[in-house]
Amino acid sequence: DSGVTQTPKHLITATGQRVTLRCSPRSGDLSVYWYQQSLDQGLQFLIHYYNGEERAKGNILERFSAQQFPDLHSELNLSSLELGDSALYFCASSLKGGLISGEQFFGPGTRLTVL
Amino acid sequence: AQKVTQAQTEISVVEKEDVTLDCVYETRDTTYYLFWYKQPPSGELVFLIRRNSFDEQNEISGRYSWNFQKSTSSFNFTITASQVVDSAVYFCALSEAGGSYIPTFGRGTSLIVHP
Repeated sequence: DSGVTQTPKHLITATGQRVTLRCSPRSGDLSVYWYQQSLDQGLQFLIHYYNGEERAKGNILERFSAQQFPDLHSELNLSSLELGDSALYFCASSLKGGLISGEQFFGPGTRLTVL
Repeated sequence: AQKVTQAQTEISVVEKEDVTLDCVYETRDTTYYLFWYKQPPSGELVFLIRRNSFDEQNEISGRYSWNFQKSTSSFNFTITASQVVDSAVYFCALSEAGGSYIPTFGRGTSLIVHP
């Protein structure tokens, strides 16, 4: 158990809908990272937050947004969902603020299915 | 542009065999980091190692070892005396300074260790 929690574990929704994925980092970790893993695109980095501030953005669609709250939990919002958004969404956390400056601990993932 | 190639899609071995997972990368940056991650059947990603471009020393951690060779742009991962618990998908990733250290992942190598 990495100490990172993600809810829900599974999510099934329809095209055009909006969903929110939630991540709670390990106690004491200030950074949260979001990744998407799909059959088509493989594993991709989406976005990184450190202590509430966005630090880096990867291949994140404009329909997607994220934020990190004062209690350090993070939410990834996916809107106008398309079939291709079906994927496993991982959250990771680390103590430090850089993409390469510390070990990242991954949550179990949220499996999103868009029908 | 970054690129990470894991040419081996799937490797099948019998327990106690040694196995090497290949990772070849492309970058024009002189400062970059290389990573290996493990994704067991349970689905959770596990960080294994980070290596920066200025440190070509090989690393050994128990049955795991990594061979970083800048001359061939490779960062190969060897498991000695493989065990069934090593069965997983292994990802190699590259983060370069010029790309704000946003990671690019290979497509992964599925390792199956038979008893």
